[in-house]
Amino acid sequence: GENVEQHPSTLSVQEGDSAVIKCTYSDSASNYFPWYKQELGKRPQLIIDIRSNVGEKKDQRIAVTLNKTAKHFSLHITETQPEDSAVYFCAASGIQGAQKLVFGQGTRLTINP
Amino acid sequence: DVKVTQSSRYLVKRTGEKVFLECVQDMDHENMFWYRQDPGLGLRLIYFSYDVKMKEKGDIPEGYSVSREKKERFSLILESASTNQTSMYLCATLSGTVIYGYTFGSGTRLTVV
Repeated sequence: GENVEQHPSTLSVQEGDSAVIKCTYSDSASNYFPWYKQELGKRPQLIIDIRSNVGEKKDQRIAVTLNKTAKHFSLHITETQPEDSAVYFCAASGIQGAQKLVFGQGTRLTINP
Repeated sequence: DVKVTQSSRYLVKRTGEKVFLECVQDMDHENMFWYRQDPGLGLRLIYFSYDVKMKEKGDIPEGYSVSREKKERFSLILESASTNQTSMYLCATLSGTVIYGYTFGSGTRLTVV
């Protein structure tokens, strides 16, 4: 089955700097890659996703890139702000059946003022 | 907005008890999922269901069962609770026709003593 590895487990950056979180997946059939943000005490919320027919997607200060050949994808946050502090999860799934997601281990991002 | 409601935010149960965790959604989504969230391990899939009375094992089904008698309700059952089942449990739903990622419930933090 699919296995998703996420790095780093913790990340601390200065406010205004960029943050990058990386994930690798094992199943070449996976073709949907969402990213979730979980603030302290709250439920995970989808922030951006990418499908395998696209190499990059942007939404304001966040972007996701996908390298299908290398089977890795990354989340990029630019001009970080204190409200970006949270745990971020990557995930992967195939668009088949119930589209079950396999999640990475999570990255705790801290933005230092 | 899809609402995914988990019946309890916090639960404390004794070892050996039978425990029911309830999840109800109001948007007629076909797919429902139960994950457990543990620090450093991310979200791991316990069971999922893609239709009424249908269920599939996830990656860590041992010690759990599920029930889906109605489309809107997906129950997770701990047959005989053990201390290693102390965790945060998250329910999620997904439309079968539009793939926009999961919608999560707010979670149930279960402590088994």
